[in-house]
Amino acid sequence: GENVEQHPSTLSVQEGDSAVIKCTYSDSASNYFPWYKQELGKGPQLIIDIRSNVGEKKDQRIAVTLNKTAKHFSLHITETQPEDSAVYFCAASMKGSARQLTFGSGTQLTVLP
Amino acid sequence: GAGVSQSPRYKVAKRGQDVALRCDPISGHVSLFWYQQALGQGPEFLTYFQNEAQLDKSGLPSDRFFAERPEGSVSTLKIQRTQQEDSAVYLCASSLKRTKQETQYFGPGTRLLVL
Repeated sequence: GENVEQHPSTLSVQEGDSAVIKCTYSDSASNYFPWYKQELGKGPQLIIDIRSNVGEKKDQRIAVTLNKTAKHFSLHITETQPEDSAVYFCAASMKGSARQLTFGSGTQLTVLP
Repeated sequence: GAGVSQSPRYKVAKRGQDVALRCDPISGHVSLFWYQQALGQGPEFLTYFQNEAQLDKSGLPSDRFFAERPEGSVSTLKIQRTQQEDSAVYLCASSLKRTKQETQYFGPGTRLLVL
């Protein structure tokens, strides 16, 4: 089955700096890659996603890039703010009957004021 | 509109007890997923429903775990004879369609602690 690895596990940045989180996946059949933000005591919330027919996608301060050849994708957050502090998860999904998500192990992002 | 809701939010069970966890998906959402999230880890897939049909239960860790969605809306995850290793957050997610990858909207989860 699919395996998703995520790095780093923790990341601290100064407010206003950029943050980058990287993930790799194992199954070349995966074609959908969402990123979720999870705050303490809450469920994961989708922040951005990308499909395999696209190399990059941007939404204001958040961008995601996908390299299908290398089987890795990254989340970029620019101009970080304290409210960006949370755990971020990458995930991958294969086209198929269930389309369940396989998640990475998460990155605890701390934005220092 | 209302998001995915789950109840109870917290559950403490003694080892060997049975528990039932409820999920109310977003109205009209066809697909419903259950995930298990251990402390400090990402969610792991348990089972998937399309309307009332359970199409994939490959992630259920043992036959003590059972899920149902009899009318294609509310779903219940039941764990029989709970063990300490069942302690985790159980997340429910729903998505609108079944024909392609759609955004999965997650509920707040039920935190289960088995003593």
